[in-house]
Amino acid sequence: DAKTTQPPSMDCAEGRAANLPCNHSTISGNEYVYWYRQIHSQGPQYIIHGLKNNETNEMASLIITEDRKSSTLILPHATLRDTAVYYCIVRGAGSYQLTFGKGTKLSVIP
Amino acid sequence: NAGVTQTPKFRILKIGQSMTLQCTQDMNHNYMYWYRQDPGMGLKLIYYSVGAGITDKGEVPNGYNVSRSTTEDFPLRLELAAPSQTSVYFCASRWGENSPLHFGNGTRLTVT
Repeated sequence: DAKTTQPPSMDCAEGRAANLPCNHSTISGNEYVYWYRQIHSQGPQYIIHGLKNNETNEMASLIITEDRKSSTLILPHATLRDTAVYYCIVRGAGSYQLTFGKGTKLSVIP
Repeated sequence: NAGVTQTPKFRILKIGQSMTLQCTQDMNHNYMYWYRQDPGMGLKLIYYSVGAGITDKGEVPNGYNVSRSTTEDFPLRLELAAPSQTSVYFCASRWGENSPLHFGNGTRLTVT
């Protein structure tokens, strides 16, 4: 599976958009990008995933660059409850393992 | 649906004791996973299963064993507990290869 690189921490003002970057420069053509978040020490929560097209759901948007070497998770209107560690994971089709790194700790500031 | 249920929520073990962490899911998911998370760190994969009767090692399998006799259950066994196994253990499941993972709420284990 391709490795991912995320900044260790970010701040975002409440009500503003939070843009969380992820670099996956060694991604191959059949590898999906997944985003999860972990609030305090609860089990991680699935947010969104995509292959090459941009995706949107009720929680967030996922923007994947045309060369697929990086992606951005966008939380359009961050709230205090969005304070969490966000994990970007790349998993290849046919690979059963999902590897979590240290993620980005997002702090939403009032 | 209860989702992924882990028991117990907390446990303290003495060095050398053994225990089984239970995980069950009611979503008829084929794939199940065990992760551990040490303080301030990401999740590390211990074992996984792609279906009943099939298990495989992840990154950090030493000191652990698993079995998958039914689709619903995926217990994790610690035979000789060591302080290095103090961690939070998460069980997860998903239906297919590209489906999202569903996590349980974790078991907090302390070995002293």
